[in-house]
Amino acid sequence: GDSVTQMEGPVTLSEEAFLTINCTYTATGYPSLFWYVQYPGEGLQLLLKATKADDKGSNKGFEATYRKETTSFHLEKGSVQVSDSAVYFCALSSQNAGNMLTFGGGTRLMVKP
Amino acid sequence: GAVVSQHPSRVICKSGTSVKIECRSLDFQATTMFWYRQFPKQSLMLMATSNEGSKATYEQGVEKDKFLINHASLTLSTLTVTSAHPEDSSFYICSAPKGSTEAFFGQGTRLTVV
Repeated sequence: GDSVTQMEGPVTLSEEAFLTINCTYTATGYPSLFWYVQYPGEGLQLLLKATKADDKGSNKGFEATYRKETTSFHLEKGSVQVSDSAVYFCALSSQNAGNMLTFGGGTRLMVKP
Repeated sequence: GAVVSQHPSRVICKSGTSVKIECRSLDFQATTMFWYRQFPKQSLMLMATSNEGSKATYEQGVEKDKFLINHASLTLSTLTVTSAHPEDSSFYICSAPKGSTEAFFGQGTRLTVV
């Protein structure tokens, strides 16, 4: 079945550091890929998405490129802020599964001033 | 953008009582909604798929008699945790897909059973 693997956390960075959170997937067909963010005490929010190969999703300085050849969707940000501290989830949605989302395990990011 | 509203956001209940959580799609119709559960510091695990006008589909290991799901209309799905116990304390979150590539999440419900 479909699965998503993302790097384990926590990831601890200093403010203005470069962020990469790795995400790889296995799926049949052509899934859509997502990054969701969960701030402390809140529900999930969509951060960005990509629906086909080579698409780049971007939002709030975060970017991720849908790489079909490496089945990856790594999340990057050039300069993190303390307010970016949250848990980030990589996910895929497959039409074969009725658009149900399959999540990675989540990566906690802690940004220190 | 599309919004999914989940209520309540927090609930504390006594052991043995039942709790109902509502999930509404506010500006689109959702024939399907998904219910997830998140244990502390873990990812979301799909519990069940709610289907408007038919029975919900439960994931393996999820007790359908304990977690009652009703999808009575195209904009409302409810999850009722029956005879709640402390081990049911968790964060429950619903999502509704819109189109082929989008899924919108409710705010989540933190359930504490004492």
